[in-house]
Amino acid sequence: SAVISQKPSRDICQRGTSLTIQCQVDSQVTMMFWYRQQPGQSLTLIATANQGSEATYESGFVIDKFPISRPNLTFSTLTVSNMSPEDSSIYLCSVVAGSVYGYTFGSGTRLTVV
Amino acid sequence: KQEVTQIPAALSVPEGENLVLNCSFTDSAIYNLQWFRQDPGKGLTSLLLIQSSQREQTSGRLNASLDKSSGRSTLYIAASQPGDSATYLCAVPPAGGTSYGKLTFGQGTILTVHP
Repeated sequence: SAVISQKPSRDICQRGTSLTIQCQVDSQVTMMFWYRQQPGQSLTLIATANQGSEATYESGFVIDKFPISRPNLTFSTLTVSNMSPEDSSIYLCSVVAGSVYGYTFGSGTRLTVV
Repeated sequence: KQEVTQIPAALSVPEGENLVLNCSFTDSAIYNLQWFRQDPGKGLTSLLLIQSSQREQTSGRLNASLDKSSGRSTLYIAASQPGDSATYLCAVPPAGGTSYGKLTFGQGTILTVHP
């Protein structure tokens, strides 16, 4: 199965600033997914990122707030813009490398906005 | 719309006990079901993946079963250890015969194994 390197692992940011999270995959994958996990909650999909096209956002998430880049088949970034304390969450990227392997997740970015 | 429910929400057991975590889903037309483990503040680690054509999968002390017709899966942990303490999540891809797309997660079971 694929291995994902996600950075940073954690950060504390000032409100009004932006943070960019990176995910690097050790193999080429078509689809990458970005999730948010608010404190005490399960995972919520933010968007699906395909190489060469605009990301597809889920209801309640907009590109201005969570811009995503997908420059090639092994890399993606998620930016959390104009942060507020409500953005304090764990952010995770995920890929599915084939039906036999299921989904693989990155190690997560624990974001605290103060 | 697929909904996934996990019972119990939390479980505290003494070391050495065998235990069962439950996962139910409303739409049985799933391609597969995956069990994950999450340590506090961390990402998800895949434990077991069961294809729709399979009844169970085993990895070490873990055994997961799948009954599509009843919309249920169980994760059995044998001889639990303090290192098993974590949140356990089950998840399914979109119903309708595809393995790709948005996973639907249960709310998780928080497991604590005390020495």
